[in-house]
Amino acid sequence: GAVVSQHPSWVICKSGTSVKIECRSLDFQATTMFWYRQFPKQSLMLMATSNEGSKATYEQGVEKDKFLINHASLTLSTLTVTSAHPEDSSFYICSARRESYTFGSGTRLTVV
Amino acid sequence: AQTVTQSQPEMSVQEAETVTLSCTYDTSESDYYLFWYKQPPSRQMILVIRQEAYKQQNATENRFSVNFQKAAKSFSLKISDSQLGDAAMYFCAYPQGGSEKLVFGKGTKLTVNP
Repeated sequence: GAVVSQHPSWVICKSGTSVKIECRSLDFQATTMFWYRQFPKQSLMLMATSNEGSKATYEQGVEKDKFLINHASLTLSTLTVTSAHPEDSSFYICSARRESYTFGSGTRLTVV
Repeated sequence: AQTVTQSQPEMSVQEAETVTLSCTYDTSESDYYLFWYKQPPSRQMILVIRQEAYKQQNATENRFSVNFQKAAKSFSLKISDSQLGDAAMYFCAYPQGGSEKLVFGKGTKLTVNP
């Protein structure tokens, strides 16, 4: 079946630094990947759609300069949280679609 | 706006019993997919079942089945012979019309009592 790998699983960073999260489709090519954010006890909120070879499209209210997305190949999308602050602490999940949507295992980001 | 509504924030069921989780949605599309995902404490999103809107027959996957009412825009999930491992958050979702963006309901937390 379709497998999406996401790394790291968890990361702690200092306020003001940047963190990169990787999302890979392991056994299929994904021209489009999706990045979600999930707060505790809440649903998944779509942040942006990552498009291979072109700019990502961001949902309303999501700062594109803070959440940089790069989709340089058909199997890899990255999300970089720039100049992270404690309020960016959250659970980030990526997804890609083959027939159904397959999700990475998520990244728990803690900014201290 | 196209939305997905799960009206039950929490549900509980006795082990081996049956429980139904409700979901309604709003779309102007005629052909689309609907999904139920499960998120256990590990937070890994796991596909439970998928329904294609153009198919009249309700989807079934082992103990999981749906009651799809297209005219009513209703897509409920039935879990039969509930097991302790079924305890999780359950999310109903569908791709926004004209795009692949998956829209989620707020989720239902299912507790399975031994």
